[in-house]
Amino acid sequence: DVKVTQSSRYLVKRTGEKVFLECVQDMDHENMFWYRQDPGLGLRLIYFSYDVKMKEKGDIPEGYSVSREKKERFSLILESASTNQTSMYLCASSLGGMEETQYFGPGTRLLVL
Amino acid sequence: KQEVTQIPAALSVPEGENLVLNCSFTDSAIYNLQWFRQDPGKGLTSLLLIQSSQREQTSGRLNASLDKSSGRSTLYIAASQPGDSATYLCAVLASGSRLTFGEGTQLTVNP
Repeated sequence: DVKVTQSSRYLVKRTGEKVFLECVQDMDHENMFWYRQDPGLGLRLIYFSYDVKMKEKGDIPEGYSVSREKKERFSLILESASTNQTSMYLCASSLGGMEETQYFGPGTRLLVL
Repeated sequence: KQEVTQIPAALSVPEGENLVLNCSFTDSAIYNLQWFRQDPGKGLTSLLLIQSSQREQTSGRLNASLDKSSGRSTLYIAASQPGDSATYLCAVLASGSRLTFGEGTQLTVNP
């Protein structure tokens, strides 16, 4: 079974802090994704990556950056956390190609005070 | 820009009932359509994936259909059970490997 793990289930941070969210997949998937999920807005794509050291902006990249130094690991970075970044963050991975589904991690619920 | 709409937003049914969840999308140029399940506070689990060339997919009590020309998909759940209670999300894959999600249908199956 594909396994996507996220470093934390719950995080509480203060405004202005630098926040790292880590995601690891164990199936040698090419593609990795970061989404945020908010009531009334659904899932929105923040960033995605097709390969190591490659990244593409999604629909809402402002205030975020990403890092993919190894194929299995994709990190989401909030350079200076703000209260409007309080959300559920979901990581996903896929093998690549149009036939493949995305496999999701359990999510990280982030609260920025 | 692709938009995905799911109707109804919430549904409550008695156990044993057959039910249909609806999904519509605005741009028919898709590669596939997927249905996911999300339990409260959890990640998404893939249920069914229908390629653009297919009309339907089945898995157990679940059947998903796709009418690409009209921009519609349905998820049929037969003989619903309390364990089916969850949020069901529809998503379409278009260019650039990007999934566009609907906001989901929150299903409650009452014992």
